[in-house]
Amino acid sequence: KAGVTQTPRYLIKTRGQQVTLSCSPISGHRSVSWYQQTPGQGLQFLFEYFSETQRNKGNFPGRFSGRQFSNSRSEMNVSTLELGDSALYLCASSVDGEKLFFGSGTQLSVL
Amino acid sequence: GEDVEQSLFLSVREGDSSVINCTYTDSSSTYLYWYKQEPGAGLQLLTYIFSNMDMKQDQRLTVLLNKKDKHLSLRIADTQTGDSAIYFCADGTGGFKTIFGAGTRLFVKA
Repeated sequence: KAGVTQTPRYLIKTRGQQVTLSCSPISGHRSVSWYQQTPGQGLQFLFEYFSETQRNKGNFPGRFSGRQFSNSRSEMNVSTLELGDSALYLCASSVDGEKLFFGSGTQLSVL
Repeated sequence: GEDVEQSLFLSVREGDSSVINCTYTDSSSTYLYWYKQEPGAGLQLLTYIFSNMDMKQDQRLTVLLNKKDKHLSLRIADTQTGDSAIYFCADGTGGFKTIFGAGTRLFVKA
């Protein structure tokens, strides 16, 4: 069974730009969660989707948004990038929101 | 709010046992987890315990849960250099949101 796939693996953007990250979950998993990982803040929960509905979200500004498609694939978007958005963005899939299986992440650098 | 705390570093000799400790605050936890992260990789689910269990053993891994004290531990028997990584304790809060500790960096000396 293929694991969670995140694309792209690395991304370099400049301040003010926007970015879209993609996540393909494990086949049969309907829940997708997104996390931001930084050395200073650790793993911070962004949001969770199940069957195209957002069931929970973390404390991030509205610049961070996400969506999930009918095939369970998910995207997250960050608009008006700031230097502090530089981080490893991790996507995780699961059957029901528990027992998360993570992708390798997208390393975003904002210059 | 929910919080998970764990010590940041642990150093052990190869062949010894490692014990990583964690405390959590949420009373409605369903599952508690241990994840492992190696450099440049995402998190790998190592093991988990249901909140009504006291102990779970899985090969070299033993998880102990003290629900009264909200304390979780992970014991790795016969620790090997390949076990060097960051270990995260996580609380499945039951609200479609898993909260992670800051991670314990395990150093294994040969």
